[in-house]
This record gives sequence, C-alpha cells and structure tokens, in this order.
Amino acid sequence: GENVEQHPSTLSVQEGDSAVIKCTYSDSASNYFPWYKQELGKRPQLIIDIRSNVGEKKDQRIAVTLNKTAKHFSLHITETQPEDSAVYFCAASSWGSQGNLIFGKGTKLSVKP
Amino acid sequence: GAVVSQHPSRVICKSGTSVKIECRSLDFQATTMFWYRQFPKQSLMLMATSNEGSKATYEQGVEKDKFLINHASLTLSTLTVTSAHPEDSSFYICSARPTAGKNIQYFGAGTRLSVL
Repeated sequence: GENVEQHPSTLSVQEGDSAVIKCTYSDSASNYFPWYKQELGKRPQLIIDIRSNVGEKKDQRIAVTLNKTAKHFSLHITETQPEDSAVYFCAASSWGSQGNLIFGKGTKLSVKP
Repeated sequence: GAVVSQHPSRVICKSGTSVKIECRSLDFQATTMFWYRQFPKQSLMLMATSNEGSKATYEQGVEKDKFLINHASLTLSTLTVTSAHPEDSSFYICSARPTAGKNIQYFGAGTRLSVL
C-alpha cells in the first residue's frame, strides 16, 4: 500500500522567511496530493492540492511542486506570517483506492514574529 | 460551501458504554466518508472508509465489531464505539468526499472522546 514520508517534523522560521516541507510517496498509482493545515484542536483545512498531470501550482503565498518521477512533492510558503503557525500534513491518494488519503506524519511550523 | 458537521464535539463516558458520533455533509452529497483517529501530536490514521448503502471497509488492525459504522444516507455516516475502554480515548475525525466533482475530502471538527 501507499506510504507517505514527510520532513521535517518541526520547522521554525522567522516571520517573512520562506518555509519548505517535503513529502515522498511510494505508490506510483497515486495521482492526487493535497496539503492540509491543522491548528491546535481544530479540523484539518485543505490549503492547496495538486494532481499528477501538473508539476506546480501556486495560490498567493503558497505553492506546491510535484516530481512524479522521483515521487516527491513539496509545499512552499513564502513571506511567512505568525498565523501560518500550525501543523501541516501532506497526503497522497489514487482513485483506485476509493480515494483514501494516506497522510504524512505532519510538520509543526512555528513562525516567530 | 462544503461544510461537514460532526457531533458531538466532546464526550466523556464511563468504561463499558457505547458512544455514537455523527458526521453530516451539510451542503453536498457524499457517497464516501472516512473516519480517522488522531492521537496527540500525531497524524491522522485512517480507520475505515464508509460507503453509502454498503458495508464499511476497515483498515488493518481496526476491529469492525468495536467501531461500528453506518452510512445510511448520502449525507450521514455514524461511528459507534462499542463497550468503550480508556484506551479508546482519542480524537476522532470524519471527512466526506463529494459524490460529484474532485477527489477532495472535507473534514469535520472532530470529537474528543474521553473514557473514564
């Protein structure tokens, strides 16, 4: 089955700096890669996603890149702000698996003012 | 749009009792819903996939008789933790995938279960 590895587990940056979180997956059939942001005690919120027919996607300060050959994808946050502090989860899924999302272990991002 | 409501948000119960958690998609139909368990400072672990009108698919290691799932309509799935024990204490989160459209999951707010 699918296995998703996520690094780093914790990341601390200064406000205004960029943050990068990386994930790798094992199942070449996976074709959908969402990123979720979860604040303490709250529900995960989808912040951006990418499909395997696209190499990069950007939404304001957030971007995701996908390297299907290497089976890895990354989340890039530019001009970080304190409100970006949260736990970020990457996930992978394929239609063949009913769309089950397999999550990475999460990255706790702390943005220091 | 795409709101998923989960109730209750918090429940405290005695050991041996059963607890039912509801997950509703409020403004879309969801043929498939998912139930996750999340331990403190850990990731979301998929417990089971709930399909409307059919039996749920459980992940390896999840006891189907312990965690009963019912998906009786296109907007409602329930998870019943039967004969709860302290080790069942956890944060349970559901998600729903719209029947029509992209393979996106929208999450409920979660249920904090504490078994005394």
